Amino acid sequence: EAQVTQNPRYLITVTGKKLTVTCSQNMNHEYMSWYRQDPGLGLRQIYYSMNVEVTDKGDVPEGYKVSRKEKRNFPLILESPSPNQTSLYFCASSPGGYYGYTFGSGTRLTVV
Amino acid sequence: GQQLNQSPQSMFIQEGEDVSMNCTSSSIFNTWLWYKQDPGEGPVLLIALYKAGELTSNGRLTAQFGITRKDSFLNISASIPSDVGIYFCAGVHNTDKLIFGTGTRLQVFP
Repeated sequence: EAQVTQNPRYLITVTGKKLTVTCSQNMNHEYMSWYRQDPGLGLRQIYYSMNVEVTDKGDVPEGYKVSRKEKRNFPLILESPSPNQTSLYFCASSPGGYYGYTFGSGTRLTVV
Repeated sequence: GQQLNQSPQSMFIQEGEDVSMNCTSSSIFNTWLWYKQDPGEGPVLLIALYKAGELTSNGRLTAQFGITRKDSFLNISASIPSDVGIYFCAGVHNTDKLIFGTGTRLQVFP
């Protein structure tokens, strides 16, 4: 089944403790992206990648890192999480932006 | 960062009613996309529009790409309980970057 898989689904952590949210797609898509969703603000792009080793900042990149060493994987790294990064995070992939993104099921992160 | 103006923010309707929502932008897009998000899940693509003036249907859903390329509309006819969710528009620039609207939350009462 064609899908985007992100893990974990739920995560509670403490301020300052580094964490990684994994994302993998099995559709051989070139584009991958991370979004965060907050009430009243919709989906905001954190980082995106157009191909292996090619990444760029989205609208809200502060406090996040990404890497794209393989086409299928696009992990999101929070080096020192803070409470304002409590949010619902989505990974997504696309063959090209015009065709729309396929989204994962989301990771609900709480930073206390 | 840029966000699209989507309205209404929320709708409470009775089963069987038709629904209309729209999305406007200050800039031009080459593609408009409409997504639906069910509770606890990621958004799922409903309709993609690639040309100004284009009208596209997907079952009871119909979407239009505005002539000015700065807006788009989504209509749902004869709503049913499973239409409940959040509907997002998204515009795509030349750079392939998606800009999302703030969402319309739809509630359908039997």
